[in-house]
Amino acid sequence: GDSVTQMEGPVTLSEEAFLTINCTYTATGYPSLFWYVQYPGEGLQLLLKATKADDKGSNKGFEATYRKETTSFHLEKGSVQVSDSAVYFCALKDTGRRALTFGSGTRLQVQP
Amino acid sequence: NAGVTQTPKFQVLKTGQSMTLQCAQDMNHNSMYWYRQDPGMGLRLIYYSASEGTTDKGEVPNGYNVSRLNKREFSLRLESAAPSQTSVYFCASSEEGYEQFFGPGTRLTVL
Repeated sequence: GDSVTQMEGPVTLSEEAFLTINCTYTATGYPSLFWYVQYPGEGLQLLLKATKADDKGSNKGFEATYRKETTSFHLEKGSVQVSDSAVYFCALKDTGRRALTFGSGTRLQVQP
Repeated sequence: NAGVTQTPKFQVLKTGQSMTLQCAQDMNHNSMYWYRQDPGMGLRLIYYSASEGTTDKGEVPNGYNVSRLNKREFSLRLESAAPSQTSVYFCASSEEGYEQFFGPGTRLTVL
């Protein structure tokens, strides 16, 4: 079946540091890939997505590239801010499936 | 345009009690979903509804029932709550093939 594996957290960074959160996946079809962000006390919001191999999703300075050869979709940001502190979820939606498969989430803490 | 709304935001139940979690969306989406979020496990699908009048089991349906009342509303019912159902519950909606929009969640504690 489908699965998503994310790096364990929490990830603690200083403001303006470079961020990478690793995400790898297994899927039986041709999935679309997503990063969702959850701020404290809130629901999940879509951060970015990619629907096919080599696509790059980007939003708010975050980027992730759909790498089919390594089955990865790592999240990166060049300079994090305190306001980026949140839990980040990698997810996929496989062909023929209606719902998303989520990773376990990675908590990011950015210190001033 | 409120998006996806959920009620209540918090609830404490005793083992064996029943309750219904309400969800509504105003985006005219056909598909709606119920997930539960547990520490270290991400979100797991409980039930989903592809359209009004249809529902299907997800990954963890045991102990739950759902009703797709109309296109806007999708409720989740716990008939006899158990401590293992302590979790945060999220409702989501989407149009087929597009991103899912999530509600703010219901934090449920079963004592």
